[in-house]
Amino acid sequence: GQQLNQSPQSMFIQEGEDVSMNCTSSSIFNTWLWYKQDPGEGPVLLIALYKAGELTSNGRLTAQFGITRKDSFLNISASIPSDVGIYFCAGAYNFNKFYFGSGTKLNVKP
Amino acid sequence: EAGVAQSPRYKIIEKRQSVAFWCNPISGHATLYWYQQILGQGPKLLIQFQNNGVVDDSQLPKDRFSAERLKGVDSTLKIQPAKLEDSAVYLCASSSARGLHEQYFGPGTRLTVT
Repeated sequence: GQQLNQSPQSMFIQEGEDVSMNCTSSSIFNTWLWYKQDPGEGPVLLIALYKAGELTSNGRLTAQFGITRKDSFLNISASIPSDVGIYFCAGAYNFNKFYFGSGTKLNVKP
Repeated sequence: EAGVAQSPRYKIIEKRQSVAFWCNPISGHATLYWYQQILGQGPKLLIQFQNNGVVDDSQLPKDRFSAERLKGVDSTLKIQPAKLEDSAVYLCASSSARGLHEQYFGPGTRLTVT
């Protein structure tokens, strides 16, 4: 199956810091999604991207669809303790099957 | 708007036993997905339905896994017989249309096979 490389695997940051994470694919995607998953819960959709170069914000979160269509980036500004969780990217081509990255585990120290 | 419902939330079975999971998608969502999430990994698509038809089941281990969505609404995923490596969280998701693939996930069923 398709391989998505998500980095970093984990992050330990101080409250108030900005966070960046990314996802790369060996193939072109035409849709990128970013999710957050809390323990014992299903992933929750944060941001959806549909066009190369697209930059979309959701509050303190900003995600970008890379111009090569093989990568995507998620930034979180001014992190707070409730940002703790696992962030997943997911990509799809032909608007069909989605492939997920292995996740970035975010820890925020108050 | 009610979210994706799944039951049970937890299940413990012995290997070689059978188990079934149920999912009710968001009302009006035509597309339904079943994912397997092994601890420490991202979700892996098992099967995708569009209404009551299968769109993709290429990663479904068909010798032991089966799924149905008879009336195009709720769905059941079955494992028979279960193996130790089937221990995972089984997530159901739904989306509203093929052109807008924002998937919404249920809370998942955590399966432990002993």
